Amino acid sequence: DQQVKQNSPSLSVQEGRISILNCDYTNSMFDYFLWYKKYPAEGPTFLISISSIKDKNEDGRFTVFLNKSAKHLSLHIVPSQPGDSAVYFCASEDGNTGKLIFGQGTTLQVKP
Amino acid sequence: DVKVTQSSRYLVKRTGEKVFLECVQDMDHENMFWYRQDPGLGLRLIYFSYDVKMKEKGDIPEGYSVSREKKERFSLILESASTNQTSMYLCASSSLDRDLTGELFFGEGSRLTVL
Repeated sequence: DQQVKQNSPSLSVQEGRISILNCDYTNSMFDYFLWYKKYPAEGPTFLISISSIKDKNEDGRFTVFLNKSAKHLSLHIVPSQPGDSAVYFCASEDGNTGKLIFGQGTTLQVKP
Repeated sequence: DVKVTQSSRYLVKRTGEKVFLECVQDMDHENMFWYRQDPGLGLRLIYFSYDVKMKEKGDIPEGYSVSREKKERFSLILESASTNQTSMYLCASSSLDRDLTGELFFGEGSRLTVL
């Protein structure tokens, strides 16, 4: 059973516009959430995170929003750049075990 | 520059062969992990370790074993490789420091093909 879901396998956006990547989770024990970015033939790299005590965290062009009541988080990239084209994984930390549970990933393509 | 190094980027093995995937980290991290990445399934945790000689099963441990004899090295072993173990394998490490909870540092991955 998928505890972390990224329901959009892919997203295509024009350069300069906003990219919004979505993630849903089912376990209310999750208390820390992260986004990772992965280029082909490379390992994932950490992008941004948010604790369950917050509803927003911003780092430059990247902002993560958390809606705990809806068990939903989203990553906003503004403005999108061609170099942002990658696979984005959402991950949630199980507060009991400390394990990270990853979503299926969303492939973002930013067109010049 | 911090680094997680996986010994082989690409491997091709035959069904029934024993396969070793090696991972070394130079960050003195306590935690080490093995994931596999498959299209449409994301990253799934196979095994992890919080200390030397310690191991815990992840979500999909069947068909795999691990070894952690030294803090910096975490090995994944496929005792008898099968075609459904064809995948991208990713090693990761993290610190026990609570401020860094959850932030994993990944290696570049090892793409295994089992024929």
